[in-house]
Formats: sequence, C-alpha cells, structure tokens
Amino acid sequence: DQQVKQNSPSLSVQEGRISILNCDYTNSMFDYFLWYKKYPAEGPTFLISISSIKDKNEDGRFTVFLNKSAKHLSLHIVPSQPGDSAVYFCAASDRMGNQFYFGTGTSLTVIP
Amino acid sequence: DVKVTQSSRYLVKRTGEKVFLECVQDMDHENMFWYRQDPGLGLRLIYFSYDVKMKEKGDIPEGYSVSREKKERFSLILESASTNQTSMYLCASSFYLGAFFGQGTRLTVV
Repeated sequence: DQQVKQNSPSLSVQEGRISILNCDYTNSMFDYFLWYKKYPAEGPTFLISISSIKDKNEDGRFTVFLNKSAKHLSLHIVPSQPGDSAVYFCAASDRMGNQFYFGTGTSLTVIP
Repeated sequence: DVKVTQSSRYLVKRTGEKVFLECVQDMDHENMFWYRQDPGLGLRLIYFSYDVKMKEKGDIPEGYSVSREKKERFSLILESASTNQTSMYLCASSFYLGAFFGQGTRLTVV
C-alpha cells in the first residue's frame, strides 16, 4: 500500500509562474519530509526538506509547506524556470531516518 | 559533498545471467538502499541495510539479493536476470537528514 502519494503524474506551467506540486501521506509516524528532483538517466537529487515540527521551509525559489492535520505537503516553485523541468519525488521518513518512502513522482514541464 | 557511485551507467544482460550492481559511498553512512524506478510506479525499495552484513527486505525483494561486506559498499545481485527486471536501479545512502543517490544504472535484460 502506497504510504506516500502524488496524485498528479504531470504538470505544465508557463515560465515565470508558480508551480505547485502536491503530496499526501497516510502514516502519522512520519517525521521528516523531503523533495527530490530527477532528470532522465540521472539519480534523484535532494531539493528541500521539512521537519514535522515546522509548517514551512523556504530555500530560494523553493518553499515546502506541511499540513500535518491533513497529512499533506506541497512544493512551491516561484518563479518557475525551464531548467526546473524534471520529475519531482516526494519522500517521507520516520524519526530515525532508517527508511524513506517515495511517491510515484510528478513530471513538471516549464514552458518557455 | 556526499558521493554515491554506481559502477555502471548502462548495462545490457541476457535472460538467465547473474548480474552484479555495485554501489560505493564515501560518507561513512550506516544506511544504504537499493531502489528501482519504473514509469508510473515511482521508486520502489528492493533491499536496504543498516550496517555491515545486515540486510532487510524492502517492498519488492523477489529475484534479488544483496551483499554488504564493507560499510561503504552495497551490492545488488540479480540471481537469474529476467526481462521484467529491465529498469533503472538507484542506490542511496543516508543519515537522518536525507538519502543521497547515485547516478543510477539503466539495466536492460534481453
């Protein structure tokens, strides 16, 4: 059973606009959440993370929001750039970080 | 910077062959993982290891085995490759703050 879900397989956004990628999880024991970016034929690279004690974390153009009561997190990219076009994976881990549970990914296309 | 290195970027193997995928990390991480990525299925965990000589099954261990003889090295073994094991294989190592991935191995079984 998928514990981390990304219900949108793809998203297209105009350059300069905001991209919002969504992720839902089912396990209330998850303590730490991460977003990864993946280009074709490469491994995922870490983008941004958030601890369960926070509801927002910002790093440059990237902001992650966490709504624990809804078991939902989102990644906002603003402004979107063509180089942001990639597959984005949401992941969650427990307090010890011994395992990471990944969503199925959302393919973002930023149109110039 | 953490470096996770997978021995091959691309591999083509025949059905029935025994296949070894090697992964080395340089940050003294305790935890290492093997995932496979398939379209529409995301990253699925095959095996992981918390320490040398320790291994745990992930979600899809069938047809695979692993070896962790040294802390920095985690090997994935396909005992008898089959066409449904054609996939992108990703190795990762981790500490609490996140998992770091290798560049991936695109394996094609013909």
